[in-house]
Amino acid sequence: DTGVSQDPRHKITKRGQNVTFRCDPISEHNRLYWYRQTLGQGPEFLTYFQNEAQLEKSRLLSDRFSAERPKGSFSTLEIQRTEQGDSAMYLCASSSPPNTDTQYFGPGTRLTVL
Amino acid sequence: AQTVTQSQPEMSVQEAETVTLSCTYDTSESDYYLFWYKQPPSRQMILVIRQEAYKQQNATENRFSVNFQKAAKSFSLKISDSQLGDAAMYFCAWGGTSYGKLTFGQGTILTVHP
Repeated sequence: DTGVSQDPRHKITKRGQNVTFRCDPISEHNRLYWYRQTLGQGPEFLTYFQNEAQLEKSRLLSDRFSAERPKGSFSTLEIQRTEQGDSAMYLCASSSPPNTDTQYFGPGTRLTVL
Repeated sequence: AQTVTQSQPEMSVQEAETVTLSCTYDTSESDYYLFWYKQPPSRQMILVIRQEAYKQQNATENRFSVNFQKAAKSFSLKISDSQLGDAAMYFCAWGGTSYGKLTFGQGTILTVHP
């Protein structure tokens, strides 16, 4: 049973560029979550999917952010027109019944916007 | 809205000793879950322990145990026989039965001295 994987692990981009991150959940986990974590802080919820349906989006998820999970397996998180304030660790987690409350996290993608 | 507060930004413990990390939360929900996650430096978040609010019995996982006081909305983590590998940032988190997301505290950095 492999864990949650995320790609890339690190991304450096220039302000104004678009970036896309990928998350592969634990096999057969039907829920997938995205969080953002800034240095020294706890993760903040961005959005989550149950299968392919996006069930909740945080107000942190501005119009420049979009997430998809087209086939209910992997998910992508895209940030358009990146800003320096977007620099953070982007964490993905997944969960499944019967304990859908228990989330397992991936290693994260660290984004640096120059 | 739910809030989670960890009032100890940093804690330290001698190897083989016991340390307790504090967490308080606020919610109007009656049924929920509480978690402690460990995040070693530059490594991914790992689930340490999970508590179901409707269970009065405190959860235990090997050297890790919790003191769950529902009326006081308190959820502390006790680490017994501390090991060097326990050094990490520890996050307390709240999850609701009808919510997808976890709400995290600010974290406590634990240092273990040999």
